[in-house]
Amino acid sequence: GESVGLHLPTLSVQEGDNSIINCAYSNSASDYFIWYKQESGKGPQFIIDIRSNMDKRQGQRVTVLLNKTVKHLSLQIAATQPGDSAVYFCAETFSTGGFKTIFGAGTRLFVKA
Amino acid sequence: DGGITQSPKYLFRKEGQNVTLSCEQNLNHDAMYWYRQDPGQGLRLIYYSQIVNDFQKGDIAEGYSVSREKKESFPLTVTSAQKNPTAFYLCASTSTWGQGSPLHFGNGTRLTVT
Repeated sequence: GESVGLHLPTLSVQEGDNSIINCAYSNSASDYFIWYKQESGKGPQFIIDIRSNMDKRQGQRVTVLLNKTVKHLSLQIAATQPGDSAVYFCAETFSTGGFKTIFGAGTRLFVKA
Repeated sequence: DGGITQSPKYLFRKEGQNVTLSCEQNLNHDAMYWYRQDPGQGLRLIYYSQIVNDFQKGDIAEGYSVSREKKESFPLTVTSAQKNPTAFYLCASTSTWGQGSPLHFGNGTRLTVT
């Protein structure tokens, strides 16, 4: 079935290190991908997005990589800070007459000071 | 600051009662959405509205109802027919209907039904 294969693992990193969070998607027709950050008790916040005609996009301290060949998406966070501790999840969007967005379950990132 | 306001943050109800969750936005967005979040699962779409006076069922609409009488407001009613209503509910919006733009989310309402 359709799925964004981001099961809810936990990633623990040392403050100042780089973090890499991975996501596998199953629909080869997906053409828009988004990473969200969700802190405890809050709604998700947009971090960065990428369209299928790109393979890399950079923001402030974050980079998203898209590998369409293996249907893989990753979020890299440079110089991870305690404030980066949260659940991160990816979403894929594809057209179905209208359009549909599928969300992954998320990865919990712990940043150790 | 523009944003989405959901109220209340926590809501407790007895089984068999209907309850309405509020969602207001001042972003001037046309499209609004309701999602449900359960532990260890991705967000699931309950209802969406592309424009005022229009709304469509999402993937898990059974036991829920909505209205969109004003552009700013998209309340969600959880009815007694919803078999497992305890969850975290998120309201979101986008400037227009269609893929290609990220969702703006409120901070959610945690509903507990006992």
